[in-house]
Amino acid sequence: QQPVQSPQAVILREGEDAVINCSSSKALYSVHWYRQKHGEAPVFLMILLKGGEQKGHEKISASFNEKKQQSSLYLTASQLSYSGTYFCGTERSFDNYGQNFVFGPGTRLSVLP
Amino acid sequence: ETGVTQTPRHLVMGMTNKKSLKCEQHLGHNAMYWYKQSAKKPLELMFVYSLEERVENNSVPSRFSPECPNSSHLFLHLHTLQPEDSALYLCASSQDPGQVFEKLFFGSGTQLSVL
Repeated sequence: QQPVQSPQAVILREGEDAVINCSSSKALYSVHWYRQKHGEAPVFLMILLKGGEQKGHEKISASFNEKKQQSSLYLTASQLSYSGTYFCGTERSFDNYGQNFVFGPGTRLSVLP
Repeated sequence: ETGVTQTPRHLVMGMTNKKSLKCEQHLGHNAMYWYKQSAKKPLELMFVYSLEERVENNSVPSRFSPECPNSSHLFLHLHTLQPEDSALYLCASSQDPGQVFEKLFFGSGTQLSVL
């Protein structure tokens, strides 16, 4: 039930681009993205809903392919501040509060100067 | 500052101790959550409270006992823990106790070590 994230880790130079993928074996209603910097709280980035448009946050955008049951997070012209672990959370239905929302294992992103 | 404050930041306890984790949210939210984050596991939902009523207990052992006295405060009472319970415990809140799992606001967590 837990979504799969790839890659597990990625190292970039400042200014480079990266893509993080999140996929599920189950049909999805929504995908949520969070970023957690070392020693800090996870911070919400965006939610993508079934049938919704591609979202953006600063130079980070994401898409949701309902047919493929996956979402991709695009980090463009990465900055040092983008370093952290990115989690996707997937929601399989509109109801059963909490039971259908599961986080992925995370992708550790390191941006080097 | 995310509006969700957790204390203490670090806690070391023996297996026979009783301790409590505290969470306070200053956002006027109506739902609060406890999550467990272990080193090599994803974020695991433990408990959900909606308007001070527990709506979710995700098969958590009884040695973890939550308490939500009002919509701003959430506690996690700990007793007779095991070393495998060592983890980062995160509190979160969200706006409405509706059926759509909403945007979560997390606290910085309590790093718990059980000896």
